[in-house]
Amino acid sequence: NAGVMQNPRHLVRRRGQEARLRCSPVKGHSHVYWYRQLPEEGLKFMVYLQKENIIDESGMPKERFSAEFPKEGPSILRIQQVVRGDSAAYFCASSPPTQETQYFGPGTRLLVL
Amino acid sequence: AQSVTQPDIHITVSEGASLELRCNYSYGATPYLFWYVQSPGQGLQLLLKYFSGDTLVQGIKGFEAEFKRSQSSFNLRKPSVHWSDAAEYFCAVGAPGSRDDMRFGAGTRLTVKP
Repeated sequence: NAGVMQNPRHLVRRRGQEARLRCSPVKGHSHVYWYRQLPEEGLKFMVYLQKENIIDESGMPKERFSAEFPKEGPSILRIQQVVRGDSAAYFCASSPPTQETQYFGPGTRLLVL
Repeated sequence: AQSVTQPDIHITVSEGASLELRCNYSYGATPYLFWYVQSPGQGLQLLLKYFSGDTLVQGIKGFEAEFKRSQSSFNLRKPSVHWSDAAEYFCAVGAPGSRDDMRFGAGTRLTVKP
């Protein structure tokens, strides 16, 4: 079985552009989580989604950041009007409905020039 | 809310030596506890987890961790380190019944000397 897939693996954007990060969970997993890992820091929770629902977005910046997990297709983390401080690794994780364990994707490394 | 502390930012050990990475948590009850490993440029791989039961947990790659309630600790150990173990290790704490409430430590970077 394929694990969590994230693409692109690396993304370069100029300030003011939009970044779209995609995450395909493990087949059968209906829960998706996004984390941000800033240089020299640990992982910070951003948002938790189930299909078509945002369950907890307490870790999301109030502006420019949004996430969705549509009925069909991957989960998308969107960052509008990126700034240099958005440069980080963004990890997606998924879990099945009955387990607490999260399985992580390889991450997307965003660099804002 | 729960929190987790990894006191050691960077540890260096010689290949073949034993390893212990420290993790302390703060939570009102018994949390779910995890150790993840992140190799350079890679995602996170689950090493082991503790939900309940036996407090000594065996994981992959020869790692084990022991949950000590009295010390609020969940330290990761390996008897003999291999050069391929060089990576960043993250301890994580989850709240039972709240799947979305997981907190990670800042990580411990392990360097293995030949």
